[in-house]
Amino acid sequence: AQKITQTQPGMFVQEKEAVTLDCTYDTSDQSYGLFWYKQPSSGEMIFLIYQGSYDEQNATEGRYSLNFQKARKSANLVISASQLGDSAMYFCAMREAFISSGSARQLTFGSGTQLTVLP
Amino acid sequence: DAGVIQSPRHEVTEMGQEVTLRCKPISGHDYLFWYRQTMMRGLELLIYFNNNVPIDDSGMPEDRFSAKMPNASFSTLKIQPSEPRDSAVYFCASSLARQYSTDTQYFGPGTRLTVL
Repeated sequence: AQKITQTQPGMFVQEKEAVTLDCTYDTSDQSYGLFWYKQPSSGEMIFLIYQGSYDEQNATEGRYSLNFQKARKSANLVISASQLGDSAMYFCAMREAFISSGSARQLTFGSGTQLTVLP
Repeated sequence: DAGVIQSPRHEVTEMGQEVTLRCKPISGHDYLFWYRQTMMRGLELLIYFNNNVPIDDSGMPEDRFSAKMPNASFSTLKIQPSEPRDSAVYFCASSLARQYSTDTQYFGPGTRLTVL
């Protein structure tokens, strides 16, 4: 089974509007972390936001927020007030528990969502 | 602060040649990761090191690939001999391990490898 699922290969949003990028995950660990990265056309991977499985509050970083619904195993990224520079590929990733997993330090990535912000 | 540094940024080589990719992690980070990104397979972990010691190399495709980390500030990924199917973007990432906390991996700019 896929550990990270991003069901939206492509999304369009009008400039200044908010957009939600979906991410669902699958793990049996109780302790895990969820990450979002942005990859613009220039190719670099830019860390955006992190949510720990024990965090009670949804993570926020500027215009980025993470809508974390643990029971549903979803960790959707919300970008508010979209800007043209937000056009990029967005990846959701998970790191499973430090203790229980032999390769605990690795990230498992989803297939990504290509976001295009329209002027 | 300097981020993860990779060189070269672009490499074009012919099949059969040896290719060496280089990475300098963020100073003080104790984990280093090598990833490969292709359209077909997405982002795949190849190998990672903790305190210069390889921990998991199960993602290394075959014996043609090797990675070393002789010290805390330098790692190499070598492909010998290279094949066209090795064409991909290779990322190096580093992190500082903090248990039960966000040991975020920070990525380098990547090396785009083309094997003709």
